Amino acid sequence: EVQVVESGGGLVQPGGSLRLSCDASGFTFSNAALSWVRQAPGQGLEWVSIISEYGGSTQYADSLKGRFTISRDDSKNTLYLEMKSLRVEDTAVYYCATVMSGTWWFDAWGQGTLVTVSS
Amino acid sequence: EIVLTQSPATLSLSPGERATLSCRASQSIGGYLAWYQQKPGQAPRLLIYDSSYRATGIPARFSGRGSGTDFTLTISSLEPEDFAVYYCQHRSSWPLTFGGGTKVEIK
Repeated sequence: EVQVVESGGGLVQPGGSLRLSCDASGFTFSNAALSWVRQAPGQGLEWVSIISEYGGSTQYADSLKGRFTISRDDSKNTLYLEMKSLRVEDTAVYYCATVMSGTWWFDAWGQGTLVTVSS
Repeated sequence: EIVLTQSPATLSLSPGERATLSCRASQSIGGYLAWYQQKPGQAPRLLIYDSSYRATGIPARFSGRGSGTDFTLTISSLEPEDFAVYYCQHRSSWPLTFGGGTKVEIK
């Protein structure tokens, strides 16, 4: 069974940094593209970033370029999202999702980790 | 950026009724559209991909159709567990985007 579990969320001050992790199991991690999607409280889904199999390429939402960095460690079956210069509007639940092979559809999701940016 | 507009924002129906949800893209996306279901406090779940293909384990009462700019998700007969929020998403180009969602609520 595919499982992805996010961690690393918490309270951070505006301008601060945070690194989220996503531990995965139940599939061949290195063969899978992976993504982050976020959801602000009471709002809809917003795609954040994606990384291809083996980390060969990455893509970001236009509004986040330069502040967020996605990476992966295939030896640890772990996906990361490094976030810096955080803003109040980055407050959201951050979901890790696996990507259906050959597509950009999100076919398995974690339960999310809450990031709160507040002074 | 491709904008996806979902309508209606809220759909009030009774169990057993048919639900029809719409997603319109700001430019043609071919058949590159998916639908997700999200229940309160839960992560989204993939229902339909490439406009009309049901994901693994999704009941046959869920169906999708459309191409270009206009897409529809139909739930043929609402079950109690189908009351939720539904989102569409495209994969036609970067950045990927989601629609704003349609809430299907019990009338």
